[in-house]
Amino acid sequence: DAGVTQSPTHLIKTRGQQVTLRCSPKSGHDTVSWYQQALGQGPQFIFQYYEEEERQRGNFPDRFSGHQFPNYSSELNVNALLLGDSALYLCASRRTVNTGELFFGEGSRLTVL
Amino acid sequence: AQTVTQSQPEMSVQEAETVTLSCTYDTSENNYYLFWYKQPPSRQMILVIRQEAYKQQNATENRFSVNFQKAAKSFSLKISDSQLGDTAMYFCAFVDSNYQLIWGAGTKLIIKP
Repeated sequence: DAGVTQSPTHLIKTRGQQVTLRCSPKSGHDTVSWYQQALGQGPQFIFQYYEEEERQRGNFPDRFSGHQFPNYSSELNVNALLLGDSALYLCASRRTVNTGELFFGEGSRLTVL
Repeated sequence: AQTVTQSQPEMSVQEAETVTLSCTYDTSENNYYLFWYKQPPSRQMILVIRQEAYKQQNATENRFSVNFQKAAKSFSLKISDSQLGDTAMYFCAFVDSNYQLIWGAGTKLIIKP
């Protein structure tokens, strides 16, 4: 049983570019959330998707957008990249009915030059 | 605003010793979950232990146990018989009624041989 998988694992972009990160949830999970973790800090909640809709959103600008597909997989898009967007982006999945079982992927390390 | 505070940026103990990591949080909610996650250099967040706020009994998982003081809003993690593989960043987290995880800044734990 595959856990949460994320791609790519590492990528480098330049300021102003756009990036798409992908996440496949654990089998049986229908809710996906995204977190940004800057170096040396705890993760910050970006948003959460359920039934292909954004359900909750953290304090992130509109440059951060997402999508959830019918198979529950999800994408995180960031437009007009800034140096400060350099971080580890973590995807987590759970069953909607089970608040306490959150599983994480290994993350995508984004570096913006 | 709901917050999680970890006051120990770094701790270091000898192998086989017991270590306690502290965490305090602030919320006006009555029912919630608290978690301790471990993040080794491999980056993946691994759930160590969780506590449901309505349960008075402290959660335990093998060598890991918590001291949950609801009135004081304190949630410390005790690691007994520490092992080299316990070396990692440890994050305390709280899930709110919107199912967003609120994270502390983390404690870097080093187990010395």
